[in-house]
Amino acid sequence: QSALTQPRSVSGSPGQSVAISCIGTSSDIGTYDYVSWYQQHPGKAPKLIIHDVSKRPSGVPDRFSGSKSGNTASLTVSGLQADDEADYYCCSYAGNFPYAFGTGTKVTV
Amino acid sequence: QVQLQESGPGLVKPSETLSLTCDVSGDSMNKYYWSWIRQSPRKGLEWIAYIFHSGKTNYNPSLKSRVTISLDTSKSRFSLKLNSVTAADTAVYYCAGDFDGAGALVSWGQGTLVTVPS
Repeated sequence: QSALTQPRSVSGSPGQSVAISCIGTSSDIGTYDYVSWYQQHPGKAPKLIIHDVSKRPSGVPDRFSGSKSGNTASLTVSGLQADDEADYYCCSYAGNFPYAFGTGTKVTV
Repeated sequence: QVQLQESGPGLVKPSETLSLTCDVSGDSMNKYYWSWIRQSPRKGLEWIAYIFHSGKTNYNPSLKSRVTISLDTSKSRFSLKLNSVTAADTAVYYCAGDFDGAGALVSWGQGTLVTVPS
């Protein structure tokens, strides 16, 4: 199972929006609606912010939204805040391989 | 929300076996699929294996020949053994839980750095 492809970095000013793409294949994102996104601050564990393509766990601000089209998933962060500066990883179910992670994207605010 | 805490040696010699334990608290172990995941600059986040309370296991094919995952519900913990380690196994190792196998890792431990010297 190959890693899902994400841009290495994206940046935006406070208040702006950024979108992060996650490119997979018909064996993972293209077939299953089990796409999740994780936020990771330096030295910390990843934190789930989106699951099942577009659902937010309790406590995650609605500034974070997810979507999917074909073999590509996307995470949008609206109203950028300083604390949103972190690494973001997508993850998809891929049949018998339950957690195929993306390459990671560094968001700079 | 379930809480997870990894423990184990931070330094493992080449060719030896890496052994880690994850202590679970705050919820029943029977509700979750329990995974080990590692993170290194070279390979990013890499899923290693999971186990369910029924005994069902699943392993990353690239590591399957060297990995064993086990569960002890009486002690609320699960464990990882990775044998024949090399410097390429140096990483931060996380334990994590997926509620009901829904495909999302809802809880993570803080991670533990394991170094295998070259």
